Amino acid sequence: EVQLVESGGGLVQPGGSLRLSCAASGFTFSSYSMNWVRQAPGKGLEWVSYISSSSSTIYYADSVKGRFTISRDNAKNSLYLQMNSLRAEDTAVYYCARTAANYYYYYMDVWGKGTTVTVSS
Amino acid sequence: DIQLTQSPSFLSASVGDRVTITCRASQGISSYLAWYQQKPGKAPKLLIYAASTLQSGVPSRFSGSGSGTEFTLTISSLQPEDFATYYCQQLNSYPITFGQGTRLEIK
Repeated sequence: EVQLVESGGGLVQPGGSLRLSCAASGFTFSSYSMNWVRQAPGKGLEWVSYISSSSSTIYYADSVKGRFTISRDNAKNSLYLQMNSLRAEDTAVYYCARTAANYYYYYMDVWGKGTTVTVSS
Repeated sequence: DIQLTQSPSFLSASVGDRVTITCRASQGISSYLAWYQQKPGKAPKLLIYAASTLQSGVPSRFSGSGSGTEFTLTISSLQPEDFATYYCQQLNSYPITFGQGTRLEIK
């Protein structure tokens, strides 16, 4: 079964750090680009970051640029998000999502169940 | 950044109804648009990609159309399990952006 499982969420004080992980199984992880997408309580979806299959291409949303770092370990079938200088507005459920492609059309076809990050004093 | 505006933001409908949700992009995105369904407490589920291609396993009552700046998601005959929030997403360029969502509720 194709599956993504996030972990590492929790309660952290403003200015603190947290590292999220996403464990992939059931597919060849090294062949796919990956994303982090978040959803603040009661709000819509916000794309956070993208990493290509070989880690050669990385993008960030402006809201997290300079504070968050995406990475992956293909040998461990894992995706990571290092979050530093956390702010209250980073409070959200964080999902990892697989990017698939059909010709030149991309889409996020597999999502984890999410891990909750709460930034509060 | 490309802005996506969905309308309506809220929709009340009955089982069996045909409903249409519109997504407008602030600039042309060809057909690089996907639609997702999200139920409370759950992860988003891919319904349609490339504006009109139905994802495997998604019921045929869901359909998508459009290109450029205007797109629609249509549910031909609402079923009880379709009451959820729907999001459009553009993958034409980074940053990837989502519409604000359309909440579909039972009348």
